Amino acid sequence: AQTVTQSQPEMSVQEAETVTLSCTYDTSESDYYLFWYKQPPSRQMILVIRQEAYKQQNATENRFSVNFQKAAKSFSLKISDSQLGDAAMYFCVQETSGSRLTFGEGTQLTVNP
Amino acid sequence: GAVVSQHPSWVICKSGTSVKIECRSLDFQATTMFWYRQFPKQSLMLMATSNEGSKATYEQGVEKDKFLINHASLTLSTLTVTSAHPEDSSFYICSARAPEGHTGELFFGEGSRLTVL
Repeated sequence: AQTVTQSQPEMSVQEAETVTLSCTYDTSESDYYLFWYKQPPSRQMILVIRQEAYKQQNATENRFSVNFQKAAKSFSLKISDSQLGDAAMYFCVQETSGSRLTFGEGTQLTVNP
Repeated sequence: GAVVSQHPSWVICKSGTSVKIECRSLDFQATTMFWYRQFPKQSLMLMATSNEGSKATYEQGVEKDKFLINHASLTLSTLTVTSAHPEDSSFYICSARAPEGHTGELFFGEGSRLTVL
């Protein structure tokens, strides 16, 4: 069975600063995908960034980047130059065979002006 | 980009009645859709995988007779909560994969909030 753990229920960051959200996962599969999704108050799930497990290079998407440590099964998200619009619940998600998603418990990010 | 839409976004019903929630892929065909349930301030839990033209695959612990899933076409999956009770009150979200296949992005609907009185 797959598990995804986010050990930070809540995080806060000052506007324009950098914050890192932690995530660890566990799987016996060798081929999988990892994602960070954000869920703002509107509840609409929005893809932030994705990482293919077979790629060693860390994914980046503008102000968002990940630190993917496959051996340690760690997948952290770094948000640079935080903006007020980044405030949301962030979910670390693992996708394994059959497109099944396993969600972490979520980290509520607050951005302070 | 690909869009997945849910309807209704908010529904209130009386205990004992049935409620149907629709999930549509608006500009692509989805052979597989997924239904999730989210309690307040909690994560999403996969309920079932909806397969076009065949029976849904339910996760362990999800009552298939309680949560009826129908995937009658390549653009529509429905979730019917039968004989709803207050404990069924929750936020239900569907998702579908864009047609690029396994490498395609998963798109989520806006969610449907069910309140059972």
